[in-house]
Amino acid sequence: AQSVTQLGSHVSVSEGALVLLRCNYSSSVPPYLFWYVQYPNQGLQLLLKYTTGATLVKGINGFEAEFKKSETSFHLTKPSAHMSDAAEYFCAVSRNRDDKIIFGKGTRLHILP
Amino acid sequence: EPEVTQTPSHQVTQMGQEVILRCVPISNHLYFYWYRQILGQKVEFLVSFYNNEISEKSEIFDDQFSVERPDGSNFTLKIRSTKLEDSAMYFCASQGETQYFGPGTRLLVL
Repeated sequence: AQSVTQLGSHVSVSEGALVLLRCNYSSSVPPYLFWYVQYPNQGLQLLLKYTTGATLVKGINGFEAEFKKSETSFHLTKPSAHMSDAAEYFCAVSRNRDDKIIFGKGTRLHILP
Repeated sequence: EPEVTQTPSHQVTQMGQEVILRCVPISNHLYFYWYRQILGQKVEFLVSFYNNEISEKSEIFDDQFSVERPDGSNFTLKIRSTKLEDSAMYFCASQGETQYFGPGTRLLVL
């Protein structure tokens, strides 16, 4: 079975500071990994995904994530936080391209002025 | 850019009533999904659909739920007799290079 653990249900960073959202996964097969963002009262938007190949994945809005198999991690980072980054972020995993996606519980990112 | 659409955006219903949530997936996609998100909780998989039949369903997807692709474009989720605990945001998704999610239908059962 697959699962995702997101450390920290709430994370606060100052505007301009580094954003680091932590995600660890469990999977019996090589995983497909995702980060989604959800703004208040909106749907899910894909930030980035890892399938195979390069372990450092770049996404939209300046976010990136690194797949570390040895640590079973897929942490999300952004060098400099912007007020517009305030949202809920979900790490997710699936077994393959067409399989269901298993989501973590989410981390709410707060940006302090 | 093609997108998944869902209607209605909000629905309020009485407990015990039937509701149908509608989705129009992206036209050349073959796999379709329903997920739900209870307020303040994580997104949960309900069901996947391929080639006009259910390919996988979760424990949540009991006999009260059904899915259908009544024509070439729509993909529906029916809840036969709604319960209070069915109140949630319901997301439809279709699979291309990745899963594209619709904006969701917020269902409130009173």
